[in-house]
Amino acid sequence: GENVEQHPSTLSVQEGDSAVIKCTYSDSASNYFPWYKQELGKGPQLIIDIRSNVGEKKDQRIAVTLNKTAKHFSLHITETQPEDSAVYFCAQTAGNQFYFGTGTSLTVIP
Amino acid sequence: EAQVTQNPRYLITVTGKKLTVTCSQNMNHEYMSWYRQDPGLGLRQIYYSMNVEVTDKGDVPEGYKVSRKEKRNFPLILESPSPNQTSLYFCASSMGRRTEAFFGQGTRLTVV
Repeated sequence: GENVEQHPSTLSVQEGDSAVIKCTYSDSASNYFPWYKQELGKGPQLIIDIRSNVGEKKDQRIAVTLNKTAKHFSLHITETQPEDSAVYFCAQTAGNQFYFGTGTSLTVIP
Repeated sequence: EAQVTQNPRYLITVTGKKLTVTCSQNMNHEYMSWYRQDPGLGLRQIYYSMNVEVTDKGDVPEGYKVSRKEKRNFPLILESPSPNQTSLYFCASSMGRRTEAFFGQGTRLTVV
């Protein structure tokens, strides 16, 4: 299947600092790139998504950037708070299928 | 309340004993999927359905079956479970394949 590589697998930041998670993909036809947050014991929830016709999208403290030429997209969380601690997954659609990254466990240290 | 409901939440079974995990959504979504989540591997798509009576294999379909007789329901069937199917399973639904997916609470399956 299509590959989505996600880095880093774990990330610890001090409260108030920024966190960046990066994903690369292989299918140049992909045009939808969502990010999901999974809290302990729950299913993933969409936090932000971007389509291939834009390079950046922002929603309060969360932003996503997309570089279609290099085939990578990144999640940026600014002014991190303890409630941002969770596992984050990037994803992409290729054809009719969804492909998720392997996840990043983010810990925000108070 | 808009939601995706999976049952059961937890299941321990023995090798070879057929089981079904149910999934139901109340949002009139066309696209539904099943995923398994394993440590270090993220979420992998097992099967998906574009609409009623339209299903197709995802990345890891071996050992699983699905059906989509009604728009709201998308059960996952393990005809002869094996220990390597021990995992956390999620059902999800969305309007389409490029829109927000809503996930159920998950089913933790253990096959001994």
